[in-house]
Amino acid sequence: GAGVSQSPSNKVTEKGKDVELRCDPISGHTALYWYRQSLGQGLEFLIYFQGNSAPDKSGLPSDRFSAERTGGSVSTLTIQRTQQEDSAVYLCASSLAGGKLLAKNIQYFGAGTRLSVL
Amino acid sequence: AQSVTQLGSHVSVSEGALVLLRCNYSSSVPPYLFWYVQYPNQGLQLLLKYTTGATLVKGINGFEAEFKKSETSFHLTKPSAHMSDAAEYFCAVIRSGNTPLVFGKGTRLSVIA
Repeated sequence: GAGVSQSPSNKVTEKGKDVELRCDPISGHTALYWYRQSLGQGLEFLIYFQGNSAPDKSGLPSDRFSAERTGGSVSTLTIQRTQQEDSAVYLCASSLAGGKLLAKNIQYFGAGTRLSVL
Repeated sequence: AQSVTQLGSHVSVSEGALVLLRCNYSSSVPPYLFWYVQYPNQGLQLLLKYTTGATLVKGINGFEAEFKKSETSFHLTKPSAHMSDAAEYFCAVIRSGNTPLVFGKGTRLSVIA
């Protein structure tokens, strides 16, 4: 597709359940980012993948959160034992390259997954 | 550490009036600065960016922003608001090309007919 695709667009789950959120980056983009958008905290960085390098997990809020990126393309964000405070919009972004040349690092965002934990 | 402050969580303007959304940043190194717009139930769309060079940058939809190093500001303006400009606007900073964006809290723009 032409843009970053995220699925599902909405997810309602019960407290304690695990959820998986999917992100399809723009074809050819080697860098992929996950952010979380919540009412109280604004937009927060979660995790960053660049090529085959080890991901930057410095933004993950707890060990219940994990993410993987298979084949350098699709990424899945997993939240285990969901809590009500996990309710938020989870945004994925991708960029062309992960080097220092900013022109290649403009981040393009998907529409997000709205997660509601009851 | 970098941070971004957006003054005013909600700004309301009349259609045809000047739009001014304020953004101040703190950074220990020259930053790259961005404005993104988010329409309801959509992702973030890049409005404009400042990297180096000309301090007045023009973006899409008639928006522009001026980088003022002495004031550590990057305010977003548009001469004449349109109803379709109603959205949430985020200012963001990045130190280099391979680091995550740091966002401000966002400013919701309402346009009154």
